[in-house]
Amino acid sequence: AQSVTQLGSHVSVSEGALVLLRCNYSSSVPPYLFWYVQYPNQGLQLLLKYTTGATLVKGINGFEAEFKKSETSFHLTKPSAHMSDAAEYFCAVTLLSGGYNKLIFGAGTRLAVHP
Amino acid sequence: NAGVTQTPKFRILKIGQSMTLQCTQDMNHNYMYWYRQDPGMGLKLIYYSVGAGITDKGEVPNGYNVSRSTTEDFPLRLELAAPSQTSVYFCASTRGFNEKLFFGSGTQLSVL
Repeated sequence: AQSVTQLGSHVSVSEGALVLLRCNYSSSVPPYLFWYVQYPNQGLQLLLKYTTGATLVKGINGFEAEFKKSETSFHLTKPSAHMSDAAEYFCAVTLLSGGYNKLIFGAGTRLAVHP
Repeated sequence: NAGVTQTPKFRILKIGQSMTLQCTQDMNHNYMYWYRQDPGMGLKLIYYSVGAGITDKGEVPNGYNVSRSTTEDFPLRLELAAPSQTSVYFCASTRGFNEKLFFGSGTQLSVL
């Protein structure tokens, strides 16, 4: 079955520390990959996406992600966490099903940043 | 430019009642989606549409129905509401499957 898995439902880091949020997918064809962020009581907004081309993708707010086909991964990183990064992060994958492409989300990872 | 508009924002239903969640977009997007968001479960795809007259089931379609008679509108129908349908529902649209989603503000539904 085609799916997307986010490892770790909760991640806690210190301010200034590296942020690493993990995402793995399963797909029989090369997927399109996205990271969305949801701040408390708000809707989702796009952080970054990978469609084709360069496998290292830079997004907003200093985040970046690398598509690794051999590992079927698209992990999200940020070199130095800020308090304002506290939010829930969702990995999403466009998967082909029944002749149509549909966007499937992972279960999400809640990032906490402490002083 | 309103984007994606969802109504209502809040609703309480009794078990067995029916209702329609409305979703309209003014961006001429072909792709439209309905998701539900439950704590710890992320967003689950209920139904999606790739254009007027074309819809398909997502991950959790049972208990729901959709129609897409126009490019702008993609209503979600709940028949015989059940407590398991208590959730926050998001409608979204996009120009293409490799483009970013534009989300509505959500509908918080409680079935009691």
